[in-house]
Amino acid sequence: EPEVTQTPSHQVTQMGQEVILRCVPISNHLYFYWYRQILGQKVEFLVSFYNNEISEKSEIFDDQFSVERPDGSNFTLKIRSTKLEDSAMYFCASSDHLARGVPYEQYFGPGTRLTVT
Amino acid sequence: AQRVTQPEKLLSVFKGAPVELKCNYSYSGSPELFWYVQYSRQRLQLLLRHISRESIKGFTADLNKGETSFHLKKPFAQEEDSAMYYCALINNAGNMLTFGGGTRLMVKP
Repeated sequence: EPEVTQTPSHQVTQMGQEVILRCVPISNHLYFYWYRQILGQKVEFLVSFYNNEISEKSEIFDDQFSVERPDGSNFTLKIRSTKLEDSAMYFCASSDHLARGVPYEQYFGPGTRLTVT
Repeated sequence: AQRVTQPEKLLSVFKGAPVELKCNYSYSGSPELFWYVQYSRQRLQLLLRHISRESIKGFTADLNKGETSFHLKKPFAQEEDSAMYYCALINNAGNMLTFGGGTRLMVKP
């Protein structure tokens, strides 16, 4: 069964450095998402992406964040200048085309644990 | 704004006992709700969605618009049900999930 994959599984970086988190969504999916979960807190939506543009973003997704689909398979999240509070588990998800009247089922990757020191 | 609340962080029951994981929501639009489950060392996966009115692994959940609730129930808990359970609400555009804080279910032998 196809799955969403994410690399790396764990990334350690210093404050102020740029990081790129990588995701390979399920191949025939058209909608892509990033969520994050700070330790002990709830899973929070960051951004959704469709047709090469952002379709929705949260207040967390400020100018320090960007997303890109650089080729036909990868979907990346870039954090330009990391802060200590960016330490979290970052989940990528993807979903198929919406069937009329049925909400998207989002398939999640295993997550990348980002530690900012 | 949409909001999902799961009042219990931890629920511990014995095998064979009934289980109810509570979920309340706040949303001005027409709500579409889900339960996601995360077993130990595994990824988040969809357990069930209210629109399907299905029973998965013996779990059911009914949307109660009057009480703005979507509680997850199972009549007889099994040890393999031990996991983290998240209630989630999707917006009308279908492109943003809002999660509750999660409830850890522990089923003791």
